[in-house]
Amino acid sequence: DTAVSQTPKYLVTQMGNDKSIKCEQNLGHDTMYWYKQDSKKFLKIMFSYNNKELIINETVPNRFSPKSPDKAHLNLHINSLELGDSAVYFCASSPGGLSDNSPLHFGNGTRLTVT
Amino acid sequence: GENVEQHPSTLSVQEGDSAVIKCTYSDSASNYFPWYKQELGKGPQLIIDIRSNVGEKKDQRIAVTLNKTAKHFSLHITETQPEDSAVYFCAALAYSGAGSYQLTFGKGTKLSVIP
Repeated sequence: DTAVSQTPKYLVTQMGNDKSIKCEQNLGHDTMYWYKQDSKKFLKIMFSYNNKELIINETVPNRFSPKSPDKAHLNLHINSLELGDSAVYFCASSPGGLSDNSPLHFGNGTRLTVT
Repeated sequence: GENVEQHPSTLSVQEGDSAVIKCTYSDSASNYFPWYKQELGKGPQLIIDIRSNVGEKKDQRIAVTLNKTAKHFSLHITETQPEDSAVYFCAALAYSGAGSYQLTFGKGTKLSVIP
């Protein structure tokens, strides 16, 4: 049973397209996140979200938008894809918010390649 | 904001030897320091963490030390095994303003354990 699952695992698409990555967690956690890992393995937070608040990293382009239909899901929608969007995107969840020192549980990532 | 430096970027050790990975952070208010292990094709997984009121924590072959005065913390792996080969990330949690906290990751250390 995968605690944090994301689909698809691989996504290849052309510039200008719109795509979505789905994430689900079955841990009953309150907070979910999206991280981006670039080609140099650097992990950077994009969004954190619980049922009360969405916190956006100000460096994330507004072409990226998280959508949460319910507490167990946080999908990532990307408009007008660019070459520089190619990366591995990780969904994560935690029992509480980061202020609680809650450990993050990561999914296995979605490798996005924009051609 | 918080800045986390991690060294070395790559580390090769013989099986059975010890491995040490070091991180420094910039924000003296940071109070939580987790370490993550990322195996190929998978998401990062928490292996150990330490809070600012503790100087050292050990879990079997893994230990973490924290020096708040010097603002650095280290991961120690003893009796390394081939399955320890992975990329290891340190992180530091700090208040980022407007009621939110941010977990800043180091750039990772690729550990190779040679049988």
